[in-house]
Amino acid sequence: QKEVEQDPGPLSVPEGAIVSLNCTYSNSAFQYFMWYRQYSRKGPELLMYTYSSGNKEDGRFTAQVDKSSKYISLFIRDSQPSDSATYLCAMTNTGFQKLVFGTGTRLLVSP
Amino acid sequence: KAGVTQTPRYLIKTRGQQVTLSCSPISGHRSVSWYQQTPGQGLQFLFEYFSETQRNKGNFPGRFSGRQFSNSRSEMNVSTLELGDSALYLCASSLVPGNNEQFFGPGTRLTVL
Repeated sequence: QKEVEQDPGPLSVPEGAIVSLNCTYSNSAFQYFMWYRQYSRKGPELLMYTYSSGNKEDGRFTAQVDKSSKYISLFIRDSQPSDSATYLCAMTNTGFQKLVFGTGTRLLVSP
Repeated sequence: KAGVTQTPRYLIKTRGQQVTLSCSPISGHRSVSWYQQTPGQGLQFLFEYFSETQRNKGNFPGRFSGRQFSNSRSEMNVSTLELGDSALYLCASSLVPGNNEQFFGPGTRLTVL
């Protein structure tokens, strides 16, 4: 079993939809949680960064962490075709040994 | 501010050869990490460097090595290439180790024939 599980998709939605992307994890030592967006032929771009449980909002993006369930989510409101990309969750523990990534969910937003 | 740069962007090698990839971090960033990205395994941590010292290493064979220079630029080397080494190699920089906001470069696409 992988430390971080993420549905690979693809997830197809129409423009304007609310998108929910999720990851589950098994290591209770993880304290820092990140979401990256990766366009084709590009490196991952850091979108959101949260510490421990709770919510964090940045524009159309909201990150949620539920440590009791070992479950994290990224919500995208009013999705746009330009949001079409692969979304990777990543996490690490205090002291930062290494970032552990999910395999990524491919999102397709159609006009 | 310029981002993380990686060279070359694309490489084609044959089995048994060796390859060196280069990474220049964001100005002022002193920690550099390397990752291998493949369709099957996703992003996997290779190693991390700070102050010219390897701080952490992932579960890769000794054929994978790296180093960091005094200006924080980093190189990674893969010797005796195998077909399975074909991947996108990504470099990420952060201000210091333990700063979890890592910024990635565009990667080097390595194809081993």
